[in-house]
Order: sequence, then C-alpha cells, then structure tokens
Amino acid sequence: DQQVKQNSPSLSVQEGRISILNCDYTNSMFDYFLWYKKYPAEGPTFLISISSIKDKNEDGRFTVFLNKSAKHLSLHIVPSQPGDSAVYFCAAREGSNTGKLIFGQGTTLQVKP
Amino acid sequence: NAGVTQTPKFQVLKTGQSMTLQCAQDMNHEYMSWYRQDPGMGLRLIHYSVGAGITDQGEVPNGYNVSRSTTEDFPLRLLSAAPSQTSVYFCASSYTNMNTEAFFGQGTRLTVV
Repeated sequence: DQQVKQNSPSLSVQEGRISILNCDYTNSMFDYFLWYKKYPAEGPTFLISISSIKDKNEDGRFTVFLNKSAKHLSLHIVPSQPGDSAVYFCAAREGSNTGKLIFGQGTTLQVKP
Repeated sequence: NAGVTQTPKFQVLKTGQSMTLQCAQDMNHEYMSWYRQDPGMGLRLIHYSVGAGITDQGEVPNGYNVSRSTTEDFPLRLLSAAPSQTSVYFCASSYTNMNTEAFFGQGTRLTVV
C-alpha cells in the first residue's frame, strides 16, 4: 500500500503561470517532507523541504505547503519557467532514527513557452 | 569533488547471473541508500546504511544484498538476477541519518533478459 501518493501523473502549464504539484500521505509518523526534481537520464536533485512542525517553507520561486490534518502537501512554483519541466517527486521521512525516505510516484511537469 | 558516483551506467544481464552495482561518495557522508525507479512506482528504497558496518532493509530488499565496509562505498549485489529486477537504480548519500537533503548518483539502467 502506497504511503505517499502523487495522484496526478502529469501537469502542463504556461510559462509565467503558477504550477501546483500535490502529494498525499497516510502515515502520521512522517516527520519531514521533501521535494526532488529529476531530469531525464539524471539523478534526482533536492529542491525544497519542510518539517512537520511547520506549514509553509519558501525558497525563491518555490513554496511548499503542509496541511497535517489533511495529510497533504503541495509545491507551488511561481512563475513557472520552461527549465522547470521535469519529473517532481515528493518524499516523506519515517523519523530521524532511520532517515528512511518514502517517495511518491512522481508528477511530470511541462511548462510551455 | 565528484559527489555520488555509480558504475556502470548501463548493464544487460541474463537471468540467473550475478553482479554488483558500485556506489561511491567522496563527501564523507554517513548515510547511504539504494533505490530503484520503475514506471508508475516512483523511487522505492531497497537498502540503506547509517554508517560503516551498519545496513538495514528498505521497502523492497528481496533479491538484493548490501555491505558497508567503508564510509565511501556502498555496493549493491544481485545474487541471481531476475527479469523483475529490470529497473533504474539510484544510489544516494546524506551527511547524517537526518537525511534532510540526499544527494543522488546518475543512476544505473539494468536490463535482465
């Protein structure tokens, strides 16, 4: 049973508009959440993260929101750029003792010029 | 500073053959992990290590062995390859088991025929 789910396999937005990528989780013991970006034929690269004790974290064009009661997080990219076109994975950490990360299935974002 | 290096980049195996996927990092990271990426499944944790001499199982450990004799290296062994192990494999490392920003290698694309 998938503990971290990204229910939208793909998303297409126009350059300059907002991209919103969503992620749901089931395990209330997850204590840290991360977003990774992946280009074809490359390894994932870290983008932004948020602790479970916060509800928002911002880094430039990227903002992650966490709604613990809904077990939902989202990544907002504003404004979207063609170079943002990639696969985005959300990940949840199963506590700092093991550091185990559980990933979602990924969402492919296409930003059209 | 090479980061996380995986070898080989591509490999074709026959069913029943064995092989070792190599992973090395030069960042003095304590935490290392192996993932496999399959279409529609995201990244799934195979094995992880919180330090030299210590390893543990992830979500999908069956058919794989690991060891961690040094801080730098974390090889993944397939003892008897099966077609179900056809996948892209990623090695990752983090400074500690807080694992708040894992660095990934470029991946190894493995095909078992």
